[in-house]
Amino acid sequence: LAKTTQPISMDSYEGQEVNITCSHNNIATNDYITWYQQFPSQGPRFIIQGYKTKVTNEVASLFIPADRKSSTLSLPRVSLSDTAVYYCLVGDEGGSYIPTFGRGTSLIVHP
Amino acid sequence: SAVISQKPSRDICQRGTSLTIQCQVDSQVTMMFWYRQQPGQSLTLIATANQGSEATYESGFVIDKFPISRPNLTFSTLTVSNMSPEDSSIYLCSAETGQPWEQYFGPGTRLTVT
Repeated sequence: LAKTTQPISMDSYEGQEVNITCSHNNIATNDYITWYQQFPSQGPRFIIQGYKTKVTNEVASLFIPADRKSSTLSLPRVSLSDTAVYYCLVGDEGGSYIPTFGRGTSLIVHP
Repeated sequence: SAVISQKPSRDICQRGTSLTIQCQVDSQVTMMFWYRQQPGQSLTLIATANQGSEATYESGFVIDKFPISRPNLTFSTLTVSNMSPEDSSIYLCSAETGQPWEQYFGPGTRLTVT
């Protein structure tokens, strides 16, 4: 199972774009990259998932370079409500299917 | 997507007793998961519960302590048995829908053992 590394914390200001990078050097061929967001006292919320190149939805964009050894979650024009912990997970459905949440990145958005 | 509900939302229990947490999904799902999360920390997977088979437990978690039921495709329970203060935590269930690893989580059950 690919291990992930993320910054422990990040600070930003309202209206800025925030990019959170996750390293997954041992990613396997069949692995997907999935990001979750967790607010205090709530369960994590699925944000976005990708396999390669770029994926965009109404919440965020996910950039994955050709070697897939890292990925970047991009949050456009953050607001105070984007203050949360963001988790990157890597894995596939086959083999040992063990969703492993790392420490995540605590994003604080300031006014 | 899926909507997950959990009961109870919180409880305070005496040591030595057991608590059963219920998890209800608004659609049929194959894979459900149970996690534990200490305040301010990440999630730790307890077990995977697939309908029609025995739950698969992760290292450090055993069936006698955390028995799980999965009677149908929309429901699962986790029992925390013979509780001690070390079991105080938030317990979360999730269900996988759509793409692999696309999980939807319940709001959690905050357990305090005194």
